[in-house]
Amino acid sequence: EDKVVQSPLSLVVHEGDTVTLNCSYEVTNFRSLLWYKQEKKAPTFLFMLTSSGIEKKSGRLSSILDKKELFSILNITATQTGDSAIYLCQIQGAQKLVFGQGTRLTINP
Amino acid sequence: GAVVSQHPSWVICKSGTSVKIECRSLDFQATTMFWYRQFPKQSLMLMATSNEGSKATYEQGVEKDKFLINHASLTLSTLTVTSAHPEDSSFYICSAPGMSAVKTQYFGPGTRLTVL
Repeated sequence: EDKVVQSPLSLVVHEGDTVTLNCSYEVTNFRSLLWYKQEKKAPTFLFMLTSSGIEKKSGRLSSILDKKELFSILNITATQTGDSAIYLCQIQGAQKLVFGQGTRLTINP
Repeated sequence: GAVVSQHPSWVICKSGTSVKIECRSLDFQATTMFWYRQFPKQSLMLMATSNEGSKATYEQGVEKDKFLINHASLTLSTLTVTSAHPEDSSFYICSAPGMSAVKTQYFGPGTRLTVL
């Protein structure tokens, strides 16, 4: 059965800390993995990963995919209160889309 | 946890026909649901916000006469793609916010539309 598991489910840290969010998956005919930031109604796209070992970076955020071990991580360095959100992982397979349950990140000042 | 279902999972239709996609919240009520489309290897794109008891709110660039949305009840929203064309072929995904104050979004599994 195709599935995506994110961990932790919830994380509370202080401003300035570095966090690592995890997404592991099992999916038939993997095509891509996407990370989103969910604050209000529509998820905001962060990264799309298709190849193993290539880090994608945007400011304080970075992500990498391991297609052998079937997981991805999302790193956020020097966290700010504006990083507080739910971070979603999505897998695109050939026939299906599967979302993880999300990690709720809270950054305290 | 909360579950959102979509029906059908996959539909193939001829160009010019209309296709209806259902989105249901199975164990909770949703006064609001969201509809997205997603092309392969691209991000989700919000199409519209479906509101129970009132008109849907469409994002800029989305034709409301082509993508008809009806929020029939607190657990059902439908998206009808009218006069479908091959360029409408895509995944269509719905989501509904949970009832908690935190407003977690619960996503449906998506409907894959192929227009021949």
